[in-house]
Amino acid sequence: AQKITQTQPGMFVQEKEAVTLDCTYDTSDQSYGLFWYKQPSSGEMIFLIYQGSYDEQNATEGRYSLNFQKARKSANLVISASQLGDSAMYFCAMREGSSNRLAFGKGNQVVVIP
Amino acid sequence: GAVVSQHPSRVICKSGTSVKIECRSLDFQATTMFWYRQFPKQSLMLMATSNEGSKATYEQGVEKDKFLINHASLTLSTLTVTSAHPEDSSFYICSARGAGPEAFFGQGTRLTVV
Repeated sequence: AQKITQTQPGMFVQEKEAVTLDCTYDTSDQSYGLFWYKQPSSGEMIFLIYQGSYDEQNATEGRYSLNFQKARKSANLVISASQLGDSAMYFCAMREGSSNRLAFGKGNQVVVIP
Repeated sequence: GAVVSQHPSRVICKSGTSVKIECRSLDFQATTMFWYRQFPKQSLMLMATSNEGSKATYEQGVEKDKFLINHASLTLSTLTVTSAHPEDSSFYICSARGAGPEAFFGQGTRLTVV
């Protein structure tokens, strides 16, 4: 079974607008971590934000925030005030329990248009 | 975030030769390093996990004799693609994890075997 599901098709976003990228996950562990990474066309994977399963508040990092809904097992990424440089693939990932391994979703393509 | 440096960023080699890719954590000690392979427009596929001073743990289906991983120190891991063939052409990317939950990625290496 897929651990991380990202099903949105490619998205076009107007510059300066907000965009929400959906991510749902599947785990039976009580302790887990959720991550979002950005991969521009250059290929590098840039860490954006982390949410621990026991964190009571939604994580925020600058223009990035994570809408963590534990009961629904969703960890959506919100990018506020989109910039042209935000055009990239975005991957949601999860680490379960004491495992070191990250399970990645298939990614969301975002294109920011002026 | 922490810095992980991966070299080379691009390499072209002849079929039958071996290629070594280096992954260094520049400003933290990486207790665990990971090697991934990524096909075009797909997600990351974990190849192996390595801890400093011990043998790498390979994922199912990954040939350990083909993809040699050495994690000689807390800041350096290498992946050697031995006797490379055109089907080994791909994007290879490493990540490193220190004491915290985040895993930071290198810039990736685009390997082309001709």
